[in-house]
Amino acid sequence: DTAVSQTPKYLVTQMGNDKSIKCEQNLGHDTMYWYKQDSKKFLKIMFSYNNKELIINETVPNRFSPKSPDKAHLNLHINSLELGDSAVYFCASSQAPSEQYFGPGTRLTVT
Amino acid sequence: QQQVKQSPQSLIVQKGGISIINCAYENTAFDYFPWYQQFPGKGPALLIAIRPDVSEKKEGRFTISFNKSAKQFSLHIMDSQPGDSATYFCAATLNTDKLIFGTGTRLQVFP
Repeated sequence: DTAVSQTPKYLVTQMGNDKSIKCEQNLGHDTMYWYKQDSKKFLKIMFSYNNKELIINETVPNRFSPKSPDKAHLNLHINSLELGDSAVYFCASSQAPSEQYFGPGTRLTVT
Repeated sequence: QQQVKQSPQSLIVQKGGISIINCAYENTAFDYFPWYQQFPGKGPALLIAIRPDVSEKKEGRFTISFNKSAKQFSLHIMDSQPGDSATYFCAATLNTDKLIFGTGTRLQVFP
């Protein structure tokens, strides 16, 4: 069984479109995260939710909106996509911030 | 102050050799130092971690050396194997709030 799953794995879309990425974890963890990994492999946290409550909101454009319907799910909606949004987006979950379990990633390409 | 500096950016090692990746930090409030391993097309995975009150931790061929006074820590991979080829990230947690990642080291081990 996959611990942290994301859909879709690949997402190709045009500038200006709106898209969503879904994440689910079956580890029973209370905290979930979204990370962005750019072309240079740099990993930057975007958001963190603990038990459906937003606890970390880094400097991310308002076009990015996370939503946690329950503690096992954390979705990421992106409005008005821009070329600079192209990256790999990782969902992660943890019971302690230092030991996070990452999903397989969603490669977003904006053309 | 919240940065974790990592070097080298890339590393090429022959099979059986020792791979060494170094990290440095400024913020003495960091309280946990994990290393993550990422294979191409996969999410990062926790490899080994250390607390600042310990100078060394060993798990199999992987060892973390920690120098609190110098605010540096390093990952040593003994008897490096081609299967170790991956990107390695050092990280630190701040007040158990979130993970701050280093910039990553791409390790290639040649037979």
